[in-house]
Amino acid sequence: SQQGEEDPQALSIQEGENATMNCSYKTSINNLQWYRQNSGRGLVHLILIRSNEREKHSGRLRVTLDTSKKSSSLLITASRAADTASYFCAYIQGAQKLVFGQGTRLTINP
Amino acid sequence: SQTIHQWPATLVQPVGSPLSLECTVEGTSNPNLYWYRQAAGRGLQLLFYSVGIGQISSEVPQNLSASRPQDRQFILSSKKLLLSDSGFYLCAWSTGQGVGNQPQHFGDGTRLSIL
Repeated sequence: SQQGEEDPQALSIQEGENATMNCSYKTSINNLQWYRQNSGRGLVHLILIRSNEREKHSGRLRVTLDTSKKSSSLLITASRAADTASYFCAYIQGAQKLVFGQGTRLTINP
Repeated sequence: SQTIHQWPATLVQPVGSPLSLECTVEGTSNPNLYWYRQAAGRGLQLLFYSVGIGQISSEVPQNLSASRPQDRQFILSSKKLLLSDSGFYLCAWSTGQGVGNQPQHFGDGTRLSIL
């Protein structure tokens, strides 16, 4: 399947540092979404970036999209312990299917 | 505000037993509804989605089925569970304005263990 791929699979940083996660995809997209999942919980929508946007901000989150490279990145600035979670990118495939990547497991160390 | 309820939170079932997981949404009308399964440490696999009452689309052939008896109720069922059905099941909804163009909102999931 045309599944998105996140990189790295796991990331461990110190509190206060910035965290960058990358997502690559294989098809043309109208938009791309990022989600967070705390351990054992459901996913929470973070941000949606449209194909005609190159960068979008939401609080400490910054998402970029490069449609020529079919890639997106999620930057979390000034990380906090509460940011520890898995992060997924997702994009539409076909008429009704949102495809999720495998996720990046982010650990923020105090 | 909209809320989504999913239960039970955890479930342990023997192989060959039936299954019924229920998901309900409050505070919105005509939502798109979704069932996903997530293997440990992995991404989400879409199982079923529904754009209206009685309208179910299946993404993966398997021994699971879904039904939408009411606008805001989505049920995942099986007549006979397999060991491979173990996993974390997530229900989600979005507004009916085109999948992928709107965020999806997830319940807290059901962790299903088959023994």
